[in-house]
Amino acid sequence: AQSVAQPEDQVNVAEGNPLTVKCTYSVSGNPYLFWYVQYPNRGLQFLLKYITGDNLVKGSYGFEAEFNKSQTSFHLKKPSALVSDSALYFCALTGGFKTIFGAGTRLFVKA
Amino acid sequence: GAVVSQHPSRVICKSGTSVKIECRSLDFQATTMFWYRQFPKQSLMLMATSNEGSKATYEQGVEKDKFLINHASLTLSTLTVTSAHPEDSSFYICSAGRDLPRYNEQFFGPGTRLTVL
Repeated sequence: AQSVAQPEDQVNVAEGNPLTVKCTYSVSGNPYLFWYVQYPNRGLQFLLKYITGDNLVKGSYGFEAEFNKSQTSFHLKKPSALVSDSALYFCALTGGFKTIFGAGTRLFVKA
Repeated sequence: GAVVSQHPSRVICKSGTSVKIECRSLDFQATTMFWYRQFPKQSLMLMATSNEGSKATYEQGVEKDKFLINHASLTLSTLTVTSAHPEDSSFYICSAGRDLPRYNEQFFGPGTRLTVL
């Protein structure tokens, strides 16, 4: 069975510090992985995706994610957090036709 | 490119009335559209998948007679919440797929906040 886990409900980080939002997955076959960000009362905005190729994927707004097959992880990272990065982040997995979303991690960046 | 709109963005209605939410792909043809429901501080729950010209496929536990989905064209899908009740209050998000590749890339609408009084 396919699944996506975001082990942290919330991540707090100071502005200017690096941030990591964790995601692990379980799927048979090749994983197709996505990160989305959601601001209050808004839909999801696409950040980045891993389909194949380089394990380090670069996306929008300075975010990147590292695909680690042995650890079945796809953590989202940013070298220097901004207050405006505060939002809800979703990791998603597609295996077959359906997309499964993680529970979401709320990121708070303090000035 | 790949913009998806939803209308209305917010709707407040009385219990017992029906509400229609539109999802449009503005600059591409969407062969498949998805409808999600999101409760406060929770993840997205897939309600149904609709393919243009055919009946929607509903997820287990979703009442098809309550949540009517129509995908009449390649750019428009509608979700009608019939006889709405306060427990139907939620944030509804649609997404559209463009000739979906195996990895099922979707483009999301901005969402519709439904409040049933």
